[in-house]
Amino acid sequence: GENVGLHLPTLSVQEGDNSIINCAYSNSASDYFIWYKQESGKGPQFIIDIRSNMDKRQGQRVTVLLNKTVKHLSLQIAATQPGDSAVYFCAENAGGTSYGKLTFGQGTILTVHP
Amino acid sequence: DAGITQSPRYKITETGRQVTLMCHQTWSHSYMFWYRQDLGHGLRLIYYSAAADITDKGEVPDGYVVSRSKTENFPLTLESATRSQTSVYFCASSESARRQFFGPGTRLTVL
Repeated sequence: GENVGLHLPTLSVQEGDNSIINCAYSNSASDYFIWYKQESGKGPQFIIDIRSNMDKRQGQRVTVLLNKTVKHLSLQIAATQPGDSAVYFCAENAGGTSYGKLTFGQGTILTVHP
Repeated sequence: DAGITQSPRYKITETGRQVTLMCHQTWSHSYMFWYRQDLGHGLRLIYYSAAADITDKGEVPDGYVVSRSKTENFPLTLESATRSQTSVYFCASSESARRQFFGPGTRLTVL
């Protein structure tokens, strides 16, 4: 991904392990959160999203957990595969005049070793 | 199903030149967005559009112009390119405004 660099958080796991990618958000008014995966040279790919009236949502091999008390979001990937290696971004959005204007985090580099 | 496409994929231009980046989506989504992605800054919203002929500024709109005469197209123009506009540009579209789907990106270099 384009944000690969020394200052991005990194997570290195073995194939088959479960991965947990964390994200802290800043705006207490945010009521929508979304995760993207970005492989090198490609655009961000939608993974899963969640609204603030939920604290957990599951997809295929992925689960998003939302803790509004501490403004924390996590993405869990089950049975991680080498194809999951990428940069993962969380984004948040508040309603009102900011509706649709996603604010992205800096990203986390996930490396999966065979 | 082409989804969302961007052209050109790569562009090199010189300072002061006008450049237009194209974005086309086949989903008939109401909302379209332009982002730039830079090392150290992540993805930042430049402009967005809620429908044809409705556009609004994002976080970093200076130096850019957009138009949206048709639902499926959302071109981004750099009126007088500067080196600071060297970046990767992503277009996105959405029916809900929030769940956004991104194109493959255009890598722009301004010399």
